Amino acid sequence: DTGVSQDPRHKITKRGQNVTFRCDPISEHNRLYWYRQTLGQGPEFLTYFQNEAQLEKSRLLSDRFSAERPKGSFSTLEIQRTEQGDSAMYLCASSYPQTVSTEAFFGQGTRLTVV
Amino acid sequence: GESVGLHLPTLSVQEGDNSIINCAYSNSASDYFIWYKQESGKGPQFIIDIRSNMDKRQGQRVTVLLNKTVKHLSLQIAATQPGDSAVYFCAGSYDKVIFGPGTSLSVIP
Repeated sequence: DTGVSQDPRHKITKRGQNVTFRCDPISEHNRLYWYRQTLGQGPEFLTYFQNEAQLEKSRLLSDRFSAERPKGSFSTLEIQRTEQGDSAMYLCASSYPQTVSTEAFFGQGTRLTVV
Repeated sequence: GESVGLHLPTLSVQEGDNSIINCAYSNSASDYFIWYKQESGKGPQFIIDIRSNMDKRQGQRVTVLLNKTVKHLSLQIAATQPGDSAVYFCAGSYDKVIFGPGTSLSVIP
């Protein structure tokens, strides 16, 4: 296991199109997180899963955003009807529950550009 | 809501000197406070954490200090090296990690 992997690394899409990103966490981690990061800012929490259950969604996550983790392993983040304001780096992280470890391992992110 | 913020957006340090990066937080609900390092083009990388009932924790070349009275967190890096150049985020954790805006550390050779 080489860590958290995200696909694609870069995505350019036209405004109004739908995009889907994939995250493969570290296999023994049951928690998976999605964050969004814009230039010069810290990552903003979007949502997280424990196994296949989505436990929390941020107010930042509009109705156009949906995340799934159907079998408790990989996760997808879909953005429908993309807007220019969606342009950002989308980061995925995985971890054990905080009672075991606070360390979250991040992937290298998917950079989305909406034109 | 929970808020974690940082003092000083940039910090320049001479190689070999010690670095101190500061952070203030407004919400005391975090169980842990964590420092992450992010290099250009990479995701954040965990450095060290401190439980909210502690005031100091040491790692390899790094020390985190927590002052709950004034809601202040700091990261001290000893003998700063060029490889330490990155953006450093403090974060609070209670089920999920909430990040502040970051301090960019530049190490002058």
